[in-house]
Amino acid sequence: QVQLVESGGGVVQPGRSLRLSCAASGFTFSSYGMHWVRQAPGKGLEWVAIIWYDGNNKDYADSVKGRFIISRDTSKNILYLQMNSLRAEDTAVYYCARQISTRYRGQFDYWGQGTLVTVSS
Amino acid sequence: QFVLTQSPSASASLGASVKLTCTLSSGHSSYAVAWHQQQPDKGPRYLMKVNSDGNYNRGDGIPDRFSGSSSGTERYLTISSLQSEDEADYYCQTWGTGINWVFGGGTKLTVL
Repeated sequence: QVQLVESGGGVVQPGRSLRLSCAASGFTFSSYGMHWVRQAPGKGLEWVAIIWYDGNNKDYADSVKGRFIISRDTSKNILYLQMNSLRAEDTAVYYCARQISTRYRGQFDYWGQGTLVTVSS
Repeated sequence: QFVLTQSPSASASLGASVKLTCTLSSGHSSYAVAWHQQQPDKGPRYLMKVNSDGNYNRGDGIPDRFSGSSSGTERYLTISSLQSEDEADYYCQTWGTGINWVFGGGTKLTVL
């Protein structure tokens, strides 16, 4: 069955960096677009970034553009989110999610359990 | 700006039915939405996609107590035979060129 397991969260000071990982299993990882979505404490869901199945095309929310980098290692079936220049407003639970369609925009059909990132001095 | 609007809260009795609404921005009546359930302290779970024509497709393992429908710019999620485990937050989501992926603010469902 499809499984997505995030890791790498923790407490980090403003301005520092952190890298999140999402280990994927149960499906052909290289065939799917993958996303990061975050949820600030007590708030709703916010889309963060996508990397398409080929790994070459990526897109970001304006709130993280220029600071976050999404990438994937298809040999290890791992999705990454490199977060730089972190701000207090980046504090959230970060989820990885699989896009249902391979080559077209679509909804997310599987989610991970999330990893908490707290940006605080 | 593309917006999905959801009522912040809803409630219904155990065993009853409830219909949750997601409203698309004016002029976007052709867009499909997806519904996701988030139980307390868990990650979201995909429930279904609802098309503008009212057709819907449930995700893997989603019971047929969950159904979808559409009318104009509104997309609905109906849950019948409510169970205690249906108490959760429900988010709608849409997507498209130029709007990326957008979520509604969520509806907190209380099962009485």
